[in-house]
Amino acid sequence: GAVVSQHPSWVICKSGTSVKIECRSLDFQATTMFWYRQFPKQSLMLMATSNEGSKATYEQGVEKDKFLINHASLTLSTLTVTSAHPEDSSFYICSVSPSSYEQYFGPGTRLTVT
Amino acid sequence: AQSVTQPDIHITVSEGASLELRCNYSYGATPYLFWYVQSPGQGLQLLLKYFSGDTLVQGIKGFEAEFKRSQSSFNLRKPSVHWSDAAEYFCAVGARTDKLIFGTGTRLQVFP
Repeated sequence: GAVVSQHPSWVICKSGTSVKIECRSLDFQATTMFWYRQFPKQSLMLMATSNEGSKATYEQGVEKDKFLINHASLTLSTLTVTSAHPEDSSFYICSVSPSSYEQYFGPGTRLTVT
Repeated sequence: AQSVTQPDIHITVSEGASLELRCNYSYGATPYLFWYVQSPGQGLQLLLKYFSGDTLVQGIKGFEAEFKRSQSSFNLRKPSVHWSDAAEYFCAVGARTDKLIFGTGTRLQVFP
């Protein structure tokens, strides 16, 4: 499988500020990465598909201007939550896909907006 | 539309007992099926996957799952549960665009 890291693992920010979350593929060049959101005791919901060198593809209902995704290299994708509000507090998880349909997940980032 | 159903929200078993977690899917083509495990505050770890071939697949940590097309099921089993197996388990189906659709999860609690 692939090894994926995320940074930070936990972040607290004030309402109205922006937060950047990094997702790194440590042993695999990932042309595609996925960003998920998970509310407490709930399942994972796909937010967007991050494509290296091109725009991300967002799922229906996800605000692209609020959740900015940049996939500038084959090993790094970033998710920026802009003008964060308490309702954005959640667990954000990224994944990489070394082959069709297989996904390997990062450890997640817990965002708390106060 | 594709969907995954995990009927059991919470299961409690005694250590050493056998385990079966249920998963039913709805998908128009041959599905790619997965089981993931998530410990509290952690990401997801792949337990096993089914793409084709033998319908009984072996995974890590002593888990196995059986694909039954006639029942649209992919149930996860383990003959003897260990306390360290306590976690959240997610079944997922792979969609055409490489996306994964997850079930709502089953929380496993293990009593000594």
